[in-house]
Amino acid sequence: DAGVIQSPRHEVTEMGQEVTLRCKPISGHDYLFWYRQTMMRGLELLIYFNNNVPIDDSGMPEDRFSAKMPNASFSTLKIQPSEPRDSAVYFCASSFVVFGELFFGEGSRLTVL
Amino acid sequence: GQQVMQIPQYQHVQEGEDFTTYCNSSTTLSNIQWYKQRPGGHPVFLIQLVKSGEVKKQKRLTFQFGEAKKNSSLHITATQTTDVGTYFCAGNNNDMRFGAGTRLTVKP
Repeated sequence: DAGVIQSPRHEVTEMGQEVTLRCKPISGHDYLFWYRQTMMRGLELLIYFNNNVPIDDSGMPEDRFSAKMPNASFSTLKIQPSEPRDSAVYFCASSFVVFGELFFGEGSRLTVL
Repeated sequence: GQQVMQIPQYQHVQEGEDFTTYCNSSTTLSNIQWYKQRPGGHPVFLIQLVKSGEVKKQKRLTFQFGEAKKNSSLHITATQTTDVGTYFCAGNNNDMRFGAGTRLTVKP
């Protein structure tokens, strides 16, 4: 298996622009997680899905952030409008069981100018 | 809510020295996981501990889970330059919380 695939790997955008990050989980994994990593706050769980249904989105910073999982093989994390404080590495991870071994993608490094 | 504290934040050792990182939770955990993230990389799963007092070994790495299931440690014996990276614990109590990580650097 190719592992968890994320795109883009790097994104540089200007404040106010919309950003969409994409993730393809490992086939057969029922759980998908979005994490954000910064130096100041470490690894934060934003949201996770079970069988494409959002289960816990309490970590989503604010209404500017939204996440969807239209099918078992694809998820998006959208930021609209983006702000400089959103600059971070966003990781997608998937697992067989909830909070079991997490398989992380390589991350999307977002820079908002 | 659940808090997971990890110390130290940084550790610099000479190659061949031992290294230990500690993780403490404010609540009892169902299990705890450990991950390693190489510089510029992504977290990679190392191990999961479930039982009270559990000890597991992977070559030079020893993982322990406390009797109260609130603390854990990772010990590396005789560090090598390939051990460089940040080690994270992640505590599970119906909510996977990552510690801040311990960044290990190894001087050859």
